[in-house]
Amino acid sequence: EAGVTQSPTHLIKTRGQQVTLRCSPISGHTSVYWYQQALGLGLQFLLWYDEGEERNRGNFPPRFSGRQFPNYSSELNVNALELEDSALYLCASSLGHTDTQYFGPGTRLTVL
Amino acid sequence: DAKTTQPTSMDCAEGRAANLPCNHSTISGNEYVYWYRQIHSQGPQYIIHGLKNNETNEMASLIITEDRKSSTLILPHATLRDTAVYYCIVHSNYQLIWGAGTKLIIKP
Repeated sequence: EAGVTQSPTHLIKTRGQQVTLRCSPISGHTSVYWYQQALGLGLQFLLWYDEGEERNRGNFPPRFSGRQFPNYSSELNVNALELEDSALYLCASSLGHTDTQYFGPGTRLTVL
Repeated sequence: DAKTTQPTSMDCAEGRAANLPCNHSTISGNEYVYWYRQIHSQGPQYIIHGLKNNETNEMASLIITEDRKSSTLILPHATLRDTAVYYCIVHSNYQLIWGAGTKLIIKP
């Protein structure tokens, strides 16, 4: 069974640009979560999608947004990139919101 | 804020059992304890979870105290590849609130 996949693996952008990160959940999973992990720090919850709807978001500004498609894959968009957005962005999926979350390998974003 | 407290770091000799403690004194009755590990900035890897009974799988054992205020993750025969940051997390609804974890170093 394929795990959670994310693309791209690495990304380099400059301040002010926009970026889109992609996530494909495990087959059958309907909930998708996005986390941000700055270097050397713990994971911070960003967004939760379930059945195509945004269910909750963490304490991040509106320039962080996303969506979930009918096939349950998801995109994370970050507008007006700032230097402090440099981080590992992790996607996780679960069968339901009370079930175990399984993580993808992450996308390493560097903002110069 | 994280609902768990873990030691910052621990060492263990290769081949020995690694016992990682976690305090979660404010855990509610319907909240699960989850353990993940993260190896060198890869995606976190699920290890095990439990509610109130002890649990065992092919990776580890989870011992939860009767009052559920603390737990211990046991890696029975640690190898060098078990060197990682181990996170103990209280799972409430959809929310995983991550602390700083324990850096476990397995020494030859």
